[in-house]
Amino acid sequence: DTEVTQTPKHLVMGMTNKKSLKCEQHMGHRAMYWYKQKAKKPPELMFVYSYEKLSINESVPSRFSPECPNSSLLNLHLHALQPEDSALYLCASSHAVVEKLFFGSGTQLSVL
Amino acid sequence: AQSVTQLGSHVSVSEGALVLLRCNYSSSVPPYLFWYVQYPNQGLQLLLKYTSAATLVKGINGFEAEFKKSETSFHLTKPSAHMSDAAEYFCAVSTNPYNQGGKLIFGQGTELSVKP
Repeated sequence: DTEVTQTPKHLVMGMTNKKSLKCEQHMGHRAMYWYKQKAKKPPELMFVYSYEKLSINESVPSRFSPECPNSSLLNLHLHALQPEDSALYLCASSHAVVEKLFFGSGTQLSVL
Repeated sequence: AQSVTQLGSHVSVSEGALVLLRCNYSSSVPPYLFWYVQYPNQGLQLLLKYTSAATLVKGINGFEAEFKKSETSFHLTKPSAHMSDAAEYFCAVSTNPYNQGGKLIFGQGTELSVKP
C-alpha cells in the first residue's frame, strides 16, 4: 500500500463552523505533513510531525490545529476560518523528514 | 538559506519534441533536489531525486535530470513529449535532510502544455 488517503475530497464550510480534515497512511512512515496550496501556486508547508511529535509549525494561525493520534493518522482541525483560507490542503508522508514525500490527493476547501 | 528558481512559468512543446524544464538552486550545503509533478485535481508525485550519488538521475515516465554544481542547476528533460505529460512541475530543495528541522522548499512551478 503506497497511498496516502485524505478525506473528505471536498469541503464547504461557513466561517463559524468546526470541521476536520483526515489523512491516513499505512506505509510505516514516521514523518507526516500538512501543506496548503492555492491555485497555480506551489504547496506551502504548514506543519511537520516526526515520530508523532510536532516538529515544525510554520507560524500557522491558531484557527488551524493539527493532531497526530498515532503513526498512521494525521488530522487538521479547522475553526473560525476565513474565506482566504480556501485552498487545496495536501497531506504527505515520508520515511524520514525530507525524504521522498508521498502526497495524498488533497481536500479542496471552500470557506464561505 | 536554500531556494529554487524555476525559469518559465509556462512551457509549451509539440508531441514528440524534447521537454526541458529549468531549475536553479541556491544552497550553502550539498543539496537534496527533487522534481515533482502535479496533474489537475491531484496531489504531487515524485518524478526523481538527487541525493549526491550519480549526477544524472533517471526518474519515472522517461524523465531525467542532471545535477550541475558549477551551474547550480537541476534541469528536467524528456526526449519525446507525450500528451499525458501535460501537468504542473515543481522543483524542490530540501533543508537539513534527515534532521528534525528539515523541510522541502518548492519552486514556483512550471506548467507544461503538449500540443498534438
